[in-house]
Amino acid sequence: AQSVTQLDSHVSVSEGTPVLLRCNYSSSYSPSLFWYVQHPNKGLQLLLKYTSAATLVKGINGFEAEFKKSETSFHLTKPSAHMSDAAEYFCVVSDRGYGGSQGNLIFGKGTKLSVKP
Amino acid sequence: DTAVSQTPKYLVTQMGNDKSIKCEQNLGHDTMYWYKQDSKKFLKIMFSYNNKELIINETVPNRFSPKSPDKAHLNLHINSLELGDSAVYFCASSQTGEQFFGPGTRLTVL
Repeated sequence: AQSVTQLDSHVSVSEGTPVLLRCNYSSSYSPSLFWYVQHPNKGLQLLLKYTSAATLVKGINGFEAEFKKSETSFHLTKPSAHMSDAAEYFCVVSDRGYGGSQGNLIFGKGTKLSVKP
Repeated sequence: DTAVSQTPKYLVTQMGNDKSIKCEQNLGHDTMYWYKQDSKKFLKIMFSYNNKELIINETVPNRFSPKSPDKAHLNLHINSLELGDSAVYFCASSQTGEQFFGPGTRLTVL
């Protein structure tokens, strides 16, 4: 069965410093992986996705993530945090083989990112 | 131009009532979903519809019934509301794995 584990429930950084949000996955086969962001009282927005093309994936707002099969990790990074990055971030794995071609998204428990001025 | 929309945005109701949440997508996607986000922000899928046919039903109480009149709409009807149903409900749609989410409906059961 597919699953994701977000290793930190809360990460706090200062504005202008790097961001690292950690995610490990478990999958029976090659996974599709995603990072979604949820700003306070808002819906979820896709940041980036990995679907077995390049292992380093670039997303919106300067975020990127690297797929490391040997470590079963898909950590999210950003070189320099901005105040507007403060939000909840979800690492997600898609179980594409279940339920037909669309699969099923399995969410991690989320990491709350706080950015201090 | 909203891709996935939900109504209402907020819903406050008494225990025992029946309520519905509506979802519409204008992306032409074949698959739509309902998720529940609890007070700890944990998101879990409830239902998935592919071209009007139910393909996933994740051990949700039968008080919850999804209804899809066409592939652009997936409504969620809830009977006999309970306190534990209080949550944010998100609708989503997809075509090739990436899912697009609606803004959510915050349901509060008193």
